[in-house]
Amino acid sequence: GEDVEQSLFLSVREGDSSVINCTYTDSSSTYLYWYKQEPGAGLQLLTYIFSNMDMKQDQRLTVLLNKKDKHLSLRIADTQTGDSAIYFCAGLSGSARQLTFGSGTQLTVLP
Amino acid sequence: NAGVTQTPKFQVLKTGQSMTLQCAQDMNHNSMYWYRQDPGMGLRLIYYSASEGTTDKGEVPNGYNVSRLNKREFSLRLESAAPSQTSVYFCASSVGPGGFGGELFFGEGSRLTVL
Repeated sequence: GEDVEQSLFLSVREGDSSVINCTYTDSSSTYLYWYKQEPGAGLQLLTYIFSNMDMKQDQRLTVLLNKKDKHLSLRIADTQTGDSAIYFCAGLSGSARQLTFGSGTQLTVLP
Repeated sequence: NAGVTQTPKFQVLKTGQSMTLQCAQDMNHNSMYWYRQDPGMGLRLIYYSASEGTTDKGEVPNGYNVSRLNKREFSLRLESAAPSQTSVYFCASSVGPGGFGGELFFGEGSRLTVL
């Protein structure tokens, strides 16, 4: 089945850009998602990308997909303290019926 | 809008005790899920219910049972709790099954400690 991997921690300065990376194993993955978890809360969908796209932009968020390398990234421009959270990458492979989540990346934004 | 509501939010159990985590959604979603979240391991699917009347095992079902009571409610039961079940449990729902069913909506989580 699908395996999704992320680095566990990332620290950036307020105002800088953050780039959170994710790799997945199933080349038949059709949808790839980014979810955000704020402290003490459940996950909320941030954005998603379909496998036939290379890039998707939504305000401060840019998602890049490299299908050849099975690499997904989330770039947050002008990172703010309110962006401090855990970010989860998730994939849906063609053979699976459920999402597979990565371990999550804890983003800390320093003032 | 309440969305997905889980109870209790916190629970401490002794090894061998049983308990049920309750989940209800008010979005008329067909599919519901139970995940556990452990440090460094992300979310792992325990059980899911693609539609009312059906339940299926996820990645880590051992030690758990579920009941899809009706379209709104999906409960998770630990029959004999073990310390390895110490975790944060999340209920989620979606319009349809799996990622094709659209966005997953999550509850706020239930933090369970088994001593």
